[in-house]
Amino acid sequence: GEDVEQSLFLSVREGDSSVINCTYTDSSSTYLYWYKQEPGAGLQLLTYIFSNMDMKQDQRLTVLLNKKDKHLSLRIADTQTGDSAIYFCAERGGGATNKLIFGTGTLLAVQP
Amino acid sequence: EPEVTQTPSHQVTQMGQEVILRCVPISNHLYFYWYRQILGQKVEFLVSFYNNEISEKSEIFDDQFSVERPDGSNFTLKIRSTKLEDSAMYFCASSIYARTYEQYFGPGTRLTVT
Repeated sequence: GEDVEQSLFLSVREGDSSVINCTYTDSSSTYLYWYKQEPGAGLQLLTYIFSNMDMKQDQRLTVLLNKKDKHLSLRIADTQTGDSAIYFCAERGGGATNKLIFGTGTLLAVQP
Repeated sequence: EPEVTQTPSHQVTQMGQEVILRCVPISNHLYFYWYRQILGQKVEFLVSFYNNEISEKSEIFDDQFSVERPDGSNFTLKIRSTKLEDSAMYFCASSIYARTYEQYFGPGTRLTVT
């Protein structure tokens, strides 16, 4: 069945770049997403990429997609303490489904 | 900016009781979803709803669960007879179309079953 995996924890210093990685199994995925969850808050859609793209840039965020290896990454440039949160990778399969399949989430800790 | 809201933020109930979790989706959205996240586990899809019908549901969404759009603004998830393992954060989401890339999530309701 579909599965999405992420590393659990990443620690970076303020001002450095952060790279959060994700792998998925569903080769028919149409959209891949990054959501951010701050403590006590819901899931905030950060960015997404369509499966026929290999890169998308949005201000400090860069998403890279390697469809052959089913690997997705989120790079955050100039990471700030306010970026500390859990980051979830999610994918939506092809066909008629609308459900999102989420990864475990990566806790990003930004050290001042 | 419009947002999805959920009430209550935290619900404590006893095993065997019925609970109703409430959501107000974004006003012009047509597709509604419930997800849940058991502590320490992944966010899991429960059900999607469109045009007053369930359009897709997961294996988790058994006969104990039901969804309803009782009026033009609310979307509810009912758990008929709660079990300890129903303790989780329940997220409501909505999207304007089915195939749009954006599902907007609410802040969640933490359900604790004792």
